[in-house]
Amino acid sequence: KQEVTQIPAALSVPEGENLVLNCSFTDSAIYNLQWFRQDPGKGLTSLLLIQSSQREQTSGRLNASLDKSSGRSTLYIAASQPGDSATYLCAVSNYQLIWGAGTKLIIKP
Amino acid sequence: DGGITQSPKYLFRKEGQNVTLSCEQNLNHDAMYWYRQDPGQGLRLIYYSQIVNDFQKGDIAEGYSVSREKKESFPLTVTSAQKNPTAFYLCASSTNHQGGRNEQFFGPGTRLTVL
Repeated sequence: KQEVTQIPAALSVPEGENLVLNCSFTDSAIYNLQWFRQDPGKGLTSLLLIQSSQREQTSGRLNASLDKSSGRSTLYIAASQPGDSATYLCAVSNYQLIWGAGTKLIIKP
Repeated sequence: DGGITQSPKYLFRKEGQNVTLSCEQNLNHDAMYWYRQDPGQGLRLIYYSQIVNDFQKGDIAEGYSVSREKKESFPLTVTSAQKNPTAFYLCASSTNHQGGRNEQFFGPGTRLTVL
């Protein structure tokens, strides 16, 4: 059974720092991996989708990597800003999406 | 603008009542999904529909029911059989199910509280 883990559950860093969020999964037989952002009390916004054949995807200050063999993905956020404060969720696709519990990120001004 | 709408934003239910959460999309997507989100847990799939008049149970379907009479609409009913319904409910859609491979787009959610 696929399990997805995100560590840490919460992270607080000063504005301007580069940071990495982690996502690990137990079954490497995935179609893709997706990263989402969720603001408090709101729905989810898709950030990046990495196909199983890809190693990374970039969008602006965000870069997501995928290492299927080790069951790991990272989301790199460059030059963090207070507006980046949110919960970041990853999900792996294997017939259906299996979700991590998220990392709550706080960027301190 | 294309997107997914959910209503109401907040919903309060008394013990023993059935309530229905609305989800509408104008993205012309075939597949639609209902998830439940609880604090400290990942999203869990309740039901999904790949096409009109068809739907399948997800991991936690007990106490819930759905219908898919129109492509644009996928309402979720939380029945009195659902013992712990207080949660945040999210609706999503994708171009088609394709084994969950396609990018899913989410609505703003409905927070349901049992009084």
